[in-house]
Amino acid sequence: AQSVTQLDSQVPVFEEAPVELRCNYSSSVSVYLFWYVQYPNQGLQLLLKYLSGSTLVKGINGFEAEFNKSQTSFHLRKPSVHISDTAEYFCAVNRINNNDMRFGAGTRLTVKP
Amino acid sequence: NAGVTQTPKFQVLKTGQSMTLQCAQDMNHEYMSWYRQDPGMGLRLIHYSVGAGITDQGEVPNGYNVSRSTTEDFPLRLLSAAPSQTSVYFCASSYSSGTNSPLHFGNGTRLTVT
Repeated sequence: AQSVTQLDSQVPVFEEAPVELRCNYSSSVSVYLFWYVQYPNQGLQLLLKYLSGSTLVKGINGFEAEFNKSQTSFHLRKPSVHISDTAEYFCAVNRINNNDMRFGAGTRLTVKP
Repeated sequence: NAGVTQTPKFQVLKTGQSMTLQCAQDMNHEYMSWYRQDPGMGLRLIHYSVGAGITDQGEVPNGYNVSRSTTEDFPLRLLSAAPSQTSVYFCASSYSSGTNSPLHFGNGTRLTVT
């Protein structure tokens, strides 16, 4: 089965600074990759997804992620964060033609004024 | 737009009690699933369904049952609750199975088993 490792459990950052949340995955076959965001006491919402094509994917709220097949990574970036970006972020992977989406343990992003 | 609706939002059970967590979606989604979220472990798939009458096990199915009699509903049953089932449960759906379709999540049910 596929697996996901989020390399940082917590990332504190000051407002307007850039941020990178790291995600590595493991799979013997091709995969689809996703980033989700969870605000307090809510379900998860899709930030962006990589299905095929361009390896740089843009999502909502100014986030983007880059798929790197050789390094099996899908890191999430934002050039300038806001207080409102404080949330937990989950990387997820699903094998093509499979119904078993696997999630990482999550990265808690805290944006400080 | 209701999306994915989960009830109840909170529940406290005693060990050995049974209960059903309800999940309904109004998007005519083919695929539905249940996850549990535990600190430091992310979300783990319990059971999923690719259509009415079809269900399958995920990563952590023990202690849980599901059924899918309609496209809209996908209840999760705990037959005999255990403290290890204390968790936050999320129902999610997507347009199609197998699957490049993103998941749409409910707001969760926080379950405590004492």
